[in-house]
Amino acid sequence: DAGITQSPRHKVTETGTPVTLRCHQTENHRYMYWYRQDPGHGLRLIHYSYGVKDTDKGEVSDGYSVSRSKTEDFLLTLESATSSQTSVYFCAIKGAGSSGAEFFGPGTRLTVL
Amino acid sequence: QQQVKQSPQSLIVQKGGISIINCAYENTAFDYFPWYQQFPGKGPALLIAIRPDVSEKKEGRFTISFNKSAKQFSLHIMDSQPGDSATYFCAATRGLNSGYALNFGKGTSLLVTP
Repeated sequence: DAGITQSPRHKVTETGTPVTLRCHQTENHRYMYWYRQDPGHGLRLIHYSYGVKDTDKGEVSDGYSVSRSKTEDFLLTLESATSSQTSVYFCAIKGAGSSGAEFFGPGTRLTVL
Repeated sequence: QQQVKQSPQSLIVQKGGISIINCAYENTAFDYFPWYQQFPGKGPALLIAIRPDVSEKKEGRFTISFNKSAKQFSLHIMDSQPGDSATYFCAATRGLNSGYALNFGKGTSLLVTP
């Protein structure tokens, strides 16, 4: 699993509250990604990072922001959580010799009531 | 808009049989096509991948067949085992131009019966 951890692993929150999910890697990989997984949709890219302070949007970025102040940490923030953001969130990294996300974290199951 | 279309949505195969999952794409800028295996409660795991200059790649019981002119690629699992029961995702990326971000198919739930 290339030393990827996600926290928290489970979270229940209420509509309108801010939520921050953390992805931590121990391998110094440059590229990191946040995906959400929903039944019938597969995995969809939210945001990705190609270095410290370098980030870009994915196809479902509305309502989400990210930050990467250190190589090892990539944070995903739901600015004001909505029920449509109930999902399983996966962090992923691209290995140096790979051409796409090579390792995925264990996921965070988020429920917005 | 789904850039990678995957079929079937679900598949039941008997032990020892061949499982075949198909994917199609439109964007000719895609240059890397991986497959992922996901067990319940776990993150996806990279299974096998191919580039468009190769028509077939085999790793153990898993084979990717790639048809560039048809813009299709498929995963074949030979001698399928109950332990192969999982959800499989195909994906594609434009590489550096898109930050190596992956576009995923919607997934295929495979059940291998004893």
